[in-house]
Amino acid sequence: EAQVTQNPRYLITVTGKKLTVTCSQNMNHEYMSWYRQDPGLGLRQIYYSMNVEVTDKGDVPEGYKVSRKEKRNFPLILESPSPNQTSLYFCASSPDPGQGITGELFFGEGSRLTVL
Amino acid sequence: SQQGEEDPQALSIQEGENATMNCSYKTSINNLQWYRQNSGRGLVHLILIRSNEREKHSGRLRVTLDTSKKSSSLLITASRAADTASYFCATVDPYSGGGADGLTFGKGTHLIIQP
Repeated sequence: EAQVTQNPRYLITVTGKKLTVTCSQNMNHEYMSWYRQDPGLGLRQIYYSMNVEVTDKGDVPEGYKVSRKEKRNFPLILESPSPNQTSLYFCASSPDPGQGITGELFFGEGSRLTVL
Repeated sequence: SQQGEEDPQALSIQEGENATMNCSYKTSINNLQWYRQNSGRGLVHLILIRSNEREKHSGRLRVTLDTSKKSSSLLITASRAADTASYFCATVDPYSGGGADGLTFGKGTHLIIQP
């Protein structure tokens, strides 16, 4: 089944404790992206990747890191989480990294992160 | 970056009625997409309409696009309880520098279908 898989789905952690949210897709998509969703603010892009070893900042990259060593995986790293990073995070992928996306995004089920 | 704005923010209707949501955006676009999100779940792509198209259908969904007014509407006909969800429009800015990073989402319309 074609899917984007995120782990963990739920996590409660404390300020400063490094964590990684994994994202894996089995559709051989070139483009992958991370979003956070907060009430009243909608979806905001954190980082995206056009292909292996190619990553770039989205609208809200501060406090986050990503890597794209393999095509299928795009982990989101919070080196020193803070309470303002409490949010619902989504990973998404698309087969089309070209001249402006023309196709659809496939989303994971989300990872709800709480930083105390 | 530009962003679509959905209207209304929330909509509650009876099962069987039609639901209409609108999206306005600020600059030119390559295409506009609509997504659905069930509570706390990932977004699911519903339909894409290109800038040179005016109307598109998919099952009970009808999307229109008016580039002169920079607006789009999503119509769900004969609504069902299972249509209860948030609906987002997403626009692709051709001047974003190229690539899929040009996709930006609105804040969504929360649709409730009363049984």
